[in-house]
Amino acid sequence: GAVVSQHPSWVICKSGTSVKIECRSLDFQATTMFWYRQFPKQSLMLMATSNEGSKATYEQGVEKDKFLINHASLTLSTLTVTSAHPEDSSFYICSASPPTVNTEAFFGQGTRLTVV
Amino acid sequence: AQKITQTQPGMFVQEKEAVTLDCTYDTSDPSYGLFWYKQPSSGEMIFLIYQGSYDQQNATEGRYSLNFQKARKSANLVISASQLGDSAMYFCAMRDLAGTGGFKTIFGAGTRLFVKA
Repeated sequence: GAVVSQHPSWVICKSGTSVKIECRSLDFQATTMFWYRQFPKQSLMLMATSNEGSKATYEQGVEKDKFLINHASLTLSTLTVTSAHPEDSSFYICSASPPTVNTEAFFGQGTRLTVV
Repeated sequence: AQKITQTQPGMFVQEKEAVTLDCTYDTSDPSYGLFWYKQPSSGEMIFLIYQGSYDQQNATEGRYSLNFQKARKSANLVISASQLGDSAMYFCAMRDLAGTGGFKTIFGAGTRLFVKA
């Protein structure tokens, strides 16, 4: 199957700093990628749709100035958590699918963010 | 609006027995896909099985089968011959295939499966 790589796997940062998470499609081009957030023992909540070459589409209630998404190439989307606070601590995971594949969404390994 | 409902927060099953994890959905899209994913404690999302809304037959993948009842809008996962390694969180998900919702995939709340030796 297609491979989506996410980096870093985990990160600890100080409150007030910004953290960038990368999501790469390794063997296909992705015009669209999706970013999810998962709190412990909860489901994956869609945060935003990352669109190559255009602005991301954010879900209701997600602060676009807080969670900056950049999709500058067909294989890379980045999520930057700006001015992170302890309540931003969560598991962030991205997904993408090759344009010709509808039958599966491929996920990155996820990033566990801890803000101290 | 699309919605996925998993009403079983936790399920126990004896090793080697079969178990059914429930999932119901709601959508107005004519074309959609239904998925089941397994998430072990490591956090990775493992794809298990897919069912398209127009598929006539229920999907099967090894020990996994999907009981698709379109009229009832249910897509239950059946795991046969449970193994200890099946203990994990299981998510039902739905994807808009027509593009009206931006091809987003949404997830249910999940069911934690415990397999007993």
